[in-house]
Amino acid sequence: GAVVSQHPSRVICKSGTSVKIECRSLDFQATTMFWYRQFPKQSLMLMATSNEGSKATYEQGVEKDKFLINHASLTLSTLTVTSAHPEDSSFYICSARRRSPNTEAFFGQGTRLTVV
Amino acid sequence: GQQVMQIPQYQHVQEGEDFTTYCNSSTTLSNIQWYKQRPGGHPVFLIQLVKSGEVKKQKRLTFQFGEAKKNSSLHITATQTTDVGTYFCAETTGNQFYFGTGTSLTVIP
Repeated sequence: GAVVSQHPSRVICKSGTSVKIECRSLDFQATTMFWYRQFPKQSLMLMATSNEGSKATYEQGVEKDKFLINHASLTLSTLTVTSAHPEDSSFYICSARRRSPNTEAFFGQGTRLTVV
Repeated sequence: GQQVMQIPQYQHVQEGEDFTTYCNSSTTLSNIQWYKQRPGGHPVFLIQLVKSGEVKKQKRLTFQFGEAKKNSSLHITATQTTDVGTYFCAETTGNQFYFGTGTSLTVIP
Protein backbone atom coordinates (compact mmCIF):
# COMPACT_ATOMS: atom_id res chain seq x y z
CA GLY A 1 0.00 0.00 0.00
CA ALA A 2 0.86 3.66 -0.22
CA VAL A 3 2.95 5.34 2.46
CA VAL A 4 2.05 8.42 4.45
CA SER A 5 4.70 9.87 6.70
CA GLN A 6 3.78 12.07 9.65
CA HIS A 7 6.32 14.05 11.62
CA PRO A 8 7.05 14.44 14.46
CA SER A 9 5.76 11.32 16.17
CA ARG A 10 5.97 12.94 19.58
CA VAL A 11 6.31 16.54 20.69
CA ILE A 12 6.27 18.27 24.02
CA CYS A 13 5.82 22.00 24.01
CA LYS A 14 5.25 24.78 26.45
CA SER A 15 1.86 26.38 26.84
CA GLY A 16 1.49 29.36 24.52
CA THR A 17 3.85 28.13 21.83
CA SER A 18 2.92 26.81 18.38
CA VAL A 19 3.58 23.37 17.00
CA LYS A 20 3.66 22.31 13.35
CA ILE A 21 2.88 18.75 12.28
CA GLU A 22 3.71 17.56 8.78
CA CYS A 23 1.94 14.93 6.75
CA ARG A 24 3.53 13.68 3.54
CA SER A 25 2.36 11.17 0.97
CA LEU A 26 5.60 9.54 -0.11
CA ASP A 27 4.64 7.61 -3.22
CA PHE A 28 1.39 9.04 -4.48
CA GLN A 29 -0.34 12.33 -5.07
CA ALA A 30 -2.88 13.12 -2.41
CA THR A 31 -5.48 15.58 -3.58
CA THR A 32 -7.26 15.27 -0.25
CA MET A 33 -5.82 14.98 3.21
CA PHE A 34 -7.69 14.63 6.47
CA TRP A 35 -6.70 15.64 9.95
CA TYR A 36 -8.07 13.81 12.96
CA ARG A 37 -7.78 14.07 16.68
CA GLN A 38 -8.03 10.97 18.83
CA PHE A 39 -8.47 10.83 22.59
CA PRO A 40 -7.51 7.68 24.51
CA LYS A 41 -9.82 4.76 23.79
CA GLN A 42 -12.00 6.90 21.54
CA SER A 43 -12.67 7.20 17.87
CA LEU A 44 -10.97 9.48 15.37
CA MET A 45 -12.69 12.84 15.28
CA LEU A 46 -12.41 14.56 11.94
CA MET A 47 -11.05 18.07 12.40
CA ALA A 48 -10.72 19.24 8.82
CA THR A 49 -10.51 18.17 5.22
CA SER A 50 -7.71 19.65 3.22
CA ASN A 51 -7.62 19.92 -0.56
CA GLU A 52 -4.49 20.84 -2.44
CA GLY A 53 -4.36 24.50 -3.33
CA SER A 54 -7.53 25.50 -1.51
CA LYS A 55 -8.64 26.37 1.99
CA ALA A 56 -9.35 23.56 4.39
CA THR A 57 -12.89 22.70 5.34
CA TYR A 58 -13.21 22.59 9.11
CA GLU A 59 -15.69 20.52 11.05
CA GLN A 60 -18.14 22.22 13.35
CA GLY A 61 -16.55 23.18 16.63
CA VAL A 62 -12.98 23.18 15.35
CA GLU A 63 -11.33 26.59 15.57
CA LYS A 64 -9.69 27.33 12.25
CA ASP A 65 -7.58 30.12 13.72
CA LYS A 66 -6.18 27.75 16.30
CA PHE A 67 -5.63 24.76 14.03
CA LEU A 68 -4.06 26.13 10.88
CA ILE A 69 -4.02 23.74 7.97
CA ASN A 70 -2.03 24.22 4.81
CA HIS A 71 -2.04 21.88 1.83
CA ALA A 72 0.49 23.54 -0.39
CA SER A 73 1.32 20.61 -2.63
CA LEU A 74 -0.04 17.24 -3.68
CA THR A 75 2.27 15.51 -1.24
CA LEU A 76 2.32 17.75 1.82
CA SER A 77 -0.19 19.06 4.32
CA THR A 78 0.65 20.71 7.62
CA LEU A 79 -1.31 21.27 10.80
CA THR A 80 -0.15 24.05 13.09
CA VAL A 81 -1.53 24.18 16.59
CA THR A 82 -1.22 27.82 17.56
CA SER A 83 -0.89 29.10 21.11
CA ALA A 84 -1.14 25.57 22.44
CA HIS A 85 -2.72 24.88 25.80
CA PRO A 86 -2.75 21.72 27.93
CA GLU A 87 -6.26 20.87 26.69
CA ASP A 88 -4.81 20.62 23.17
CA SER A 89 -2.75 17.64 24.28
CA SER A 90 -3.89 14.71 22.19
CA PHE A 91 -3.02 12.27 19.42
CA TYR A 92 -3.25 13.94 16.02
CA ILE A 93 -3.30 11.78 12.92
CA CYS A 94 -3.47 12.57 9.24
CA SER A 95 -4.64 10.53 6.30
CA ALA A 96 -4.43 10.95 2.56
CA ARG A 97 -6.39 9.75 -0.42
CA ARG A 98 -5.49 9.52 -4.06
CA ARG A 99 -7.16 11.53 -6.79
CA SER A 100 -10.04 9.12 -7.31
CA PRO A 101 -12.93 9.60 -4.89
CA ASN A 102 -14.14 6.88 -2.54
CA THR A 103 -10.79 5.18 -2.37
CA GLU A 104 -9.13 3.97 0.78
CA ALA A 105 -7.28 6.33 3.06
CA PHE A 106 -3.69 5.85 4.10
CA PHE A 107 -2.75 7.03 7.54
CA GLY A 108 0.31 8.61 9.00
CA GLN A 109 1.78 7.22 12.18
CA GLY A 110 0.23 10.00 14.26
CA THR A 111 1.68 12.69 16.50
CA ARG A 112 1.42 12.60 20.26
CA LEU A 113 1.26 16.23 21.40
CA THR A 114 1.79 17.09 25.04
CA VAL A 115 1.44 20.70 26.12
CA VAL A 116 2.96 21.49 29.50
CA GLY B 1 -21.06 15.77 10.90
CA GLN B 2 -20.37 12.28 12.02
CA GLN B 3 -23.46 10.08 11.99
CA VAL B 4 -22.10 6.56 12.12
CA MET B 5 -22.62 4.59 15.29
CA GLN B 6 -20.92 1.33 16.12
CA ILE B 7 -21.84 -1.32 18.64
CA PRO B 8 -20.60 -2.67 20.88
CA GLN B 9 -18.05 -0.16 22.13
CA TYR B 10 -16.01 -2.89 23.80
CA GLN B 11 -15.93 -6.65 23.40
CA HIS B 12 -13.92 -9.21 25.32
CA VAL B 13 -13.86 -12.70 23.87
CA GLN B 14 -12.06 -15.92 24.63
CA GLU B 15 -9.62 -16.95 21.96
CA GLY B 16 -11.46 -19.12 19.46
CA GLU B 17 -14.82 -17.42 19.95
CA ASP B 18 -16.47 -15.40 17.23
CA PHE B 19 -16.81 -11.62 17.22
CA THR B 20 -19.13 -9.22 15.44
CA THR B 21 -19.25 -5.44 15.30
CA TYR B 22 -22.11 -3.48 13.79
CA CYS B 23 -22.10 -0.11 12.12
CA ASN B 24 -25.29 1.90 11.71
CA SER B 25 -25.96 5.12 9.87
CA SER B 26 -28.98 7.40 9.91
CA THR B 27 -28.49 8.11 6.23
CA THR B 28 -27.93 5.99 3.14
CA LEU B 29 -24.25 5.44 2.48
CA SER B 30 -22.67 5.41 -0.94
CA ASN B 31 -20.06 3.03 0.38
CA ILE B 32 -18.45 1.98 3.62
CA GLN B 33 -14.91 1.12 4.57
CA TRP B 34 -13.51 -0.85 7.48
CA TYR B 35 -10.24 -0.17 9.27
CA LYS B 36 -8.30 -1.81 12.08
CA GLN B 37 -6.20 0.09 14.57
CA ARG B 38 -3.83 -1.88 16.75
CA PRO B 39 -3.04 -0.46 20.21
CA GLY B 40 -0.57 2.37 19.76
CA GLY B 41 -0.83 2.20 15.98
CA HIS B 42 -2.63 3.94 13.17
CA PRO B 43 -5.71 2.74 11.28
CA VAL B 44 -5.09 0.31 8.47
CA PHE B 45 -7.55 -0.23 5.65
CA LEU B 46 -9.29 -3.61 5.56
CA ILE B 47 -11.99 -3.40 2.91
CA GLN B 48 -14.53 -1.29 1.06
CA LEU B 49 -18.15 -2.25 0.40
CA VAL B 50 -20.12 -0.51 -2.30
CA LYS B 51 -23.10 -2.58 -3.41
CA SER B 52 -26.34 -3.13 -1.55
CA GLY B 53 -26.26 -6.50 0.23
CA GLU B 54 -22.60 -7.01 -0.63
CA VAL B 55 -20.66 -9.65 1.29
CA LYS B 56 -16.89 -9.92 1.18
CA LYS B 57 -14.57 -12.32 2.94
CA GLN B 58 -10.95 -12.08 3.96
CA LYS B 59 -9.88 -15.35 5.55
CA ARG B 60 -11.66 -15.35 8.94
CA LEU B 61 -13.22 -11.92 8.41
CA THR B 62 -16.64 -11.48 6.79
CA PHE B 63 -17.93 -8.04 5.86
CA GLN B 64 -21.53 -7.24 4.98
CA PHE B 65 -23.27 -4.18 3.64
CA GLY B 66 -26.97 -3.92 4.38
CA GLU B 67 -29.63 -4.02 1.70
CA ALA B 68 -30.64 -0.45 2.49
CA LYS B 69 -26.98 0.62 2.62
CA LYS B 70 -27.48 2.05 6.10
CA ASN B 71 -25.66 -0.58 8.08
CA SER B 72 -22.69 -2.87 7.88
CA SER B 73 -21.09 -5.58 9.94
CA LEU B 74 -17.73 -7.21 10.43
CA HIS B 75 -17.64 -10.77 11.70
CA ILE B 76 -14.49 -12.57 12.81
CA THR B 77 -14.63 -16.34 13.09
CA ALA B 78 -12.51 -18.09 15.71
CA THR B 79 -10.69 -15.05 17.02
CA GLN B 80 -6.96 -15.10 17.59
CA THR B 81 -4.80 -12.87 19.79
CA THR B 82 -3.58 -11.13 16.65
CA ASP B 83 -7.13 -9.83 16.12
CA VAL B 84 -6.77 -7.51 19.11
CA GLY B 85 -7.41 -3.87 18.24
CA THR B 86 -10.13 -1.38 17.50
CA TYR B 87 -12.25 -1.85 14.42
CA PHE B 88 -13.73 1.20 12.77
CA CYS B 89 -16.17 1.58 9.97
CA ALA B 90 -15.81 4.74 7.94
CA GLU B 91 -18.38 6.63 5.99
CA THR B 92 -17.03 7.93 2.73
CA THR B 93 -19.38 10.10 0.72
CA GLY B 94 -17.80 12.34 -1.84
CA ASN B 95 -15.04 14.20 -0.05
CA GLN B 96 -16.28 13.41 3.45
CA PHE B 97 -14.54 10.78 5.54
CA TYR B 98 -16.02 10.10 8.97
CA PHE B 99 -15.17 7.26 11.29
CA GLY B 100 -17.61 5.30 13.34
CA THR B 101 -17.27 5.20 17.09
CA GLY B 102 -15.24 2.00 16.93
CA THR B 103 -15.32 -1.37 18.67
CA SER B 104 -12.38 -2.31 20.82
CA LEU B 105 -11.72 -6.05 20.74
CA THR B 106 -9.81 -7.85 23.45
CA VAL B 107 -8.99 -11.50 22.93
CA ILE B 108 -8.25 -13.51 26.05
CA PRO B 109 -5.76 -16.34 25.43
